[in-house]
Amino acid sequence: AQSVTQLGSHVSVSEGALVLLRCNYSSSVPPYLFWYVQYPNQGLQLLLKYTSAATLVKGINGFEAEFKKSETSFHLTKPSAHMSDAAEYFCAVSEGFQKLVFGTGTRLLVSP
Amino acid sequence: GAVVSQHPSRVICKSGTSVKIECRSLDFQATTMFWYRQFPKQSLMLMATSNEGSKATYEQGVEKDKFLINHASLTLSTLTVTSAHPEDSSFYICSAPLAGARWNEQFFGPGTRLTVL
Repeated sequence: AQSVTQLGSHVSVSEGALVLLRCNYSSSVPPYLFWYVQYPNQGLQLLLKYTSAATLVKGINGFEAEFKKSETSFHLTKPSAHMSDAAEYFCAVSEGFQKLVFGTGTRLLVSP
Repeated sequence: GAVVSQHPSRVICKSGTSVKIECRSLDFQATTMFWYRQFPKQSLMLMATSNEGSKATYEQGVEKDKFLINHASLTLSTLTVTSAHPEDSSFYICSAPLAGARWNEQFFGPGTRLTVL
């Protein structure tokens, strides 16, 4: 079965600093990978997705992620954090038939 | 982009009562919808796959008789929590993939927070 591991339940950065949220996946077939953001009491919004095209994927709000097959990783980055980036971030892998398997999430805290 | 709505956004009920949550795809048809539950500070756990015109498919450990799913039309799926108990209190989120979307992109509803007293 496919699975996702997100290292670090909380990540704290200062405004303007680099954001790095880690995601490692397990899959026996080429995966589809996704990053979602969730604001308090809201549903999930897609940030970006990897679908076996370019390994460096650019998403909304300045986020990007790089698919590294050798490391089975799909880490999310943003060069400069903004206060509005504070939220919960979920990495997910497609299990086929449109099912998603989510990681446990990483809460990003941004301090002024 | 495609929009998925949920109603109600928040519901409080007494233990032993039933609660119905609606999930609608507003500008597209969805033959399949997914229901997730999310406990505080935890990830989303898939509960079931709702299939238009047929029975839902439940994940292991999810009680079919407790969480009734009906997908009567191409734009509406409902989740009914029967005989709710405090341990059913959670955030319930539905999602729907865009038919024909190649990359399994799903659109999520805003969620329904259920509190059972």
